[in-house]
Amino acid sequence: NAGVTQTPKFRVLKTGQSMTLLCAQDMNHEYMYWYRQDPGMGLRLIHYSVGEGTTAKGEVPDGYNVSRLKKQNFLLGLESAAPSQTSVYFCASSWYRLRGNSPLHFGNGTRLTVT
Amino acid sequence: AQSVTQPDIHITVSEGASLELRCNYSYGATPYLFWYVQSPGQGLQLLLKYFSGDTLVQGIKGFEAEFKRSQSSFNLRKPSVHWSDAAEYFCAVGPNTGFQKLVFGTGTRLLVSP
Repeated sequence: NAGVTQTPKFRVLKTGQSMTLLCAQDMNHEYMYWYRQDPGMGLRLIHYSVGEGTTAKGEVPDGYNVSRLKKQNFLLGLESAAPSQTSVYFCASSWYRLRGNSPLHFGNGTRLTVT
Repeated sequence: AQSVTQPDIHITVSEGASLELRCNYSYGATPYLFWYVQSPGQGLQLLLKYFSGDTLVQGIKGFEAEFKRSQSSFNLRKPSVHWSDAAEYFCAVGPNTGFQKLVFGTGTRLLVSP
């Protein structure tokens, strides 16, 4: 069972270039999330999805777009990369439960550097 | 606004000594509380969670945490630290509904000295 898989693991971009980060989960989770992690700032939610075909903005959505065309995949796009987007990006997924809770399952991250 | 404060950026503990990592939260409703651990180059792994009931919760790897509503705290403890516990630890708070829109603290990096 792979869990949550992120590709690529590392990437270097030049300012203005575009790229897409792929997240795939094999746990049939409804919810998927993209976070960025920066030193001294913890994890901040970029965008999330509560099901196939749905997306919503999180805490820091500017400069990013997302798509959830298939339940198992959640794509994060940078249309015109900026140095401020240098970060480690984590994808996560979780079950839906009306009561109780399902913890987040995280991928191993993508380290992105924008020069 | 929801927030989580982890006041210690770094903590160094001798192997075999006890550990307590602090977490304070601000949340408008009854929160769900979590501790996650992140080893270098890895994603976050859930250590333990509090939803309701017993305020002392047990987690994996010998960790426990105590929810204190009056102090808005959810401190993580371990009686005897092992070198393999060196990692970064994140406290998080979320709503008591199904959707996990968590707010994370800034993390505490644990160093274990021999």
